[in-house]
Amino acid sequence: DVQMTQSPSSLSTFVGDRVTITCRASQSISRHLNWYQHKPGKAPKLLIYAASSLQSGVPSRFSGSGSGTDFTLTISSLQPEDFATYYCQQSYSIPWTFGQGTKVEVK
Amino acid sequence: EVQLVESGGGLVQPRGSLRLSCAASGITFSNFWMSWVRQAPGKGLEWVANIKQDGSEKNYVDSVKGRFTISRDNAGNSLYLQMNSLRADDTAVYYCASNSYGYFVYWGQGALVTVSS
Repeated sequence: DVQMTQSPSSLSTFVGDRVTITCRASQSISRHLNWYQHKPGKAPKLLIYAASSLQSGVPSRFSGSGSGTDFTLTISSLQPEDFATYYCQQSYSIPWTFGQGTKVEVK
Repeated sequence: EVQLVESGGGLVQPRGSLRLSCAASGITFSNFWMSWVRQAPGKGLEWVANIKQDGSEKNYVDSVKGRFTISRDNAGNSLYLQMNSLRADDTAVYYCASNSYGYFVYWGQGALVTVSS
């Protein structure tokens, strides 16, 4: 199975800050990497698919990059509604696997 | 508007069974692979199973193989997860989600399954 490791596990930051979350795969997954936002009691929301493609309706402050084993999710200017947990997920091989999550909290 | 609505969750004893359902609307259900994804309390997301558009192909995470069965009814726009031999570590919120090329676009709100005596 492909293991996904995110860092950091949590971060405290301010509205307006630039936020970067990294995700590392245990083997090359090309660009089969997706990012989700999850808030308590809500359904997860797809942000980025295929490493860098912005899902329809997602604000352009979200961006993704990377290929192979190393990937990044960037929020260019954090907004109040962006405080949530973020997950990466590989779709290269079954079983599809998620990172452990990065909780973004207000400082 | 796309809606995926899970039902059938609840409290069940260890070694018991439960069947989850997911009713889809606002999408052409038969066009999509579908999956179940779960989140145990205080833990991250875990993909559980998926099923091809016509039901001819199914995949499972190792921890549920032989115990869980995914199925679908395209005429009724519904997805199912039959869960047998339930264990405490199956306790989670279970989400149904549509697949496109391995990523999950549409998600339900989730159904809580609690396995406890």
